[in-house]
Amino acid sequence: DSGVTQTPKHLITATGQRVTLRCSPRSGDLSVYWYQQSLDQGLQFLIQYYNGEERAKGNILERFSAQQFPDLHSELNLSSLELGDSALYFCASSALSGNTIYFGEGSWLTVV
Amino acid sequence: GESVGLHLPTLSVQEGDNSIINCAYSNSASDYFIWYKQESGKGPQFIIDIRSNMDKRQGQRVTVLLNKTVKHLSLQIAATQPGDSAVYFCAEALPPGAQKLVFGQGTRLTINP
Repeated sequence: DSGVTQTPKHLITATGQRVTLRCSPRSGDLSVYWYQQSLDQGLQFLIQYYNGEERAKGNILERFSAQQFPDLHSELNLSSLELGDSALYFCASSALSGNTIYFGEGSWLTVV
Repeated sequence: GESVGLHLPTLSVQEGDNSIINCAYSNSASDYFIWYKQESGKGPQFIIDIRSNMDKRQGQRVTVLLNKTVKHLSLQIAATQPGDSAVYFCAEALPPGAQKLVFGQGTRLTINP
């Protein structure tokens, strides 16, 4: 158990809908990362927050957004969902920006 | 551009044997490298990391070797066990830190009894 908690574990939704994935980092970790894992793209970095502020951005679509709250939990919002958004979405955290990153168990999103 | 690749997508070894998983990276400026293990239905699990000022680091049954000259990274697992069966990813990070890890596609390691 990495200490990173993600909810929900599984989610099935229709195209065009909007979902929110939630992440609680390890206790004391200030940095939160979001990754997308699909069969054809592997693990892709989406975005990083550090102590509430966006720190780095990767291949995140404009339809996706994220935020980190004062209690350090984070949410990833996915809107106007398409079939191709079906993937595993991982949250990860680290104590400081640049330290070892620990991953949660992921949220399985299926868009039908 | 940034890219991390793996030499073999699959690797099968006999239980008890040593295994070596290889990884090539393209960015000579990368200064931090991590190996992750991912079991089916689970998140990537940190195994071992190494910084660019080192060429070898050992953990419990695992050793990571870094050859900066040829931009090559390897993970050695000693005395493999059935529980070692998983997909192994290498990841590289550019300075100043691990903000944006670039992952390889992964190598599936299968341990045969």
